[in-house]
Amino acid sequence: AQKITQTQPGMFVQEKEAVTLDCTYDTSDQSYGLFWYKQPSSGEMIFLIYQGSYDEQNATEGRYSLNFQKARKSANLVISASQLGDSAMYFCAMRGFYNQGGKLIFGQGTELSVKP
Amino acid sequence: EAGVAQSPRYKIIEKRQSVAFWCNPISGHATLYWYQQILGQGPKLLIQFQNNGVVDDSQLPKDRFSAERLKGVDSTLKIQPAKLEDSAVYLCASSLYGGESDTQYFGPGTRLTVL
Repeated sequence: AQKITQTQPGMFVQEKEAVTLDCTYDTSDQSYGLFWYKQPSSGEMIFLIYQGSYDEQNATEGRYSLNFQKARKSANLVISASQLGDSAMYFCAMRGFYNQGGKLIFGQGTELSVKP
Repeated sequence: EAGVAQSPRYKIIEKRQSVAFWCNPISGHATLYWYQQILGQGPKLLIQFQNNGVVDDSQLPKDRFSAERLKGVDSTLKIQPAKLEDSAVYLCASSLYGGESDTQYFGPGTRLTVL
């Protein structure tokens, strides 16, 4: 079965420090994409970063980087230099085509709180 | 570039009533998605449109939920009759072509409360 697991319901980090949000996945697709979204209390899902299963390098977007370990089926999000505005829910999601029909499947989310 | 628009932002109804949500995707995006997000969970896909055709509605409770995409642009999601368990945030998203690496962009959502 296709599944995304986020084992950290809540995380705290001190402002300006780095934090890693965990994500593991299970899929029988050979080709798939991994996404991270941020959902502030306002409710909108904001796209952060994408990693393709055949990409050899880890994706980076500004302060966000994705630590992709294909053999371990993990796609952890690293946020460097945390800011107060980073406090939000973070969702890991996966999209495969052959067995998922292109459906984006989300994990349960991790609530990040940044302390001043 | 304007983002995905949704209305209303909030809706409170009694059970057994009907309700409709509207979504306008990003201009030029061929693929449109409706998700249901129950409190404390990640979003779950209800239906996916490619232009004005349905690609995936396998998780849409078709006895009470319906959706259409008018002329391949705007879309409406309807619930009739609503149940208590339909209380959730309904998110609309759009993407360029629905491909594997295609990023989905989400609207602000409609928060539905069924009493």
